[in-house]
Amino acid sequence: AQSVTQPDIHITVSEGASLELRCNYSYGATPYLFWYVQSPGQGLQLLLKYFSGDTLVQGIKGFEAEFKRSQSSFNLRKPSVHWSDAAEYFCAVVPPDRGSTLGRLYFGRGTQLTVWP
Amino acid sequence: DAGVIQSPRHEVTEMGQEVTLRCKPISGHNSLFWYRQTMMRGLELLIYFNNNVPIDDSGMPEDRFSAKMPNASFSTLKIQPSEPRDSAVYFCASSSSGQGPQPQHFGDGTRLSIL
Repeated sequence: AQSVTQPDIHITVSEGASLELRCNYSYGATPYLFWYVQSPGQGLQLLLKYFSGDTLVQGIKGFEAEFKRSQSSFNLRKPSVHWSDAAEYFCAVVPPDRGSTLGRLYFGRGTQLTVWP
Repeated sequence: DAGVIQSPRHEVTEMGQEVTLRCKPISGHNSLFWYRQTMMRGLELLIYFNNNVPIDDSGMPEDRFSAKMPNASFSTLKIQPSEPRDSAVYFCASSSSGQGPQPQHFGDGTRLSIL
């Protein structure tokens, strides 16, 4: 079945350490790719998106993600994590055959990030 | 600019009661999405509208759930009768039109507890 997978349910890092959150998709062609962040008690906020072009995309809050077609991955990274980055992170896709604005998002199960001081 | 506004933020009610969740999308956005989030199932799309017309309601769990969008600035999700298994956080999101799929902007959700 076509899907988006986040292999890590929970990640813990120390403040100041680097971070990589994994996301893999299984579609025949490249879907439209997104990363969202959800802070406790709040809705989801878009961090960044990839449609085409440069495979390294920059987002808000110092995050970036790299699209790797050969690995069907779109991993989220941050060089130095701050305590305020503690949240749940969701990878999401719009399937490649749904390129119109009516395309629905399919979400991964999320990765909970804990940051130690 | 105001974001997506949902009300109420919290709702606690007894099973069998009717529950109505409300959403005001961002002005100018023409797509609106209702999601449900639970620990067991994660984020699920229930239904979405484009230009006030329901496009895909395949995620609506059963006939007890209904959604309407009478105009571009308001939508409701109704559960009647409610059951304990409906307890979840319900999110509304909206997006605009453009080249390719547009980012969805989420409200802060309604935390629903059915006793």
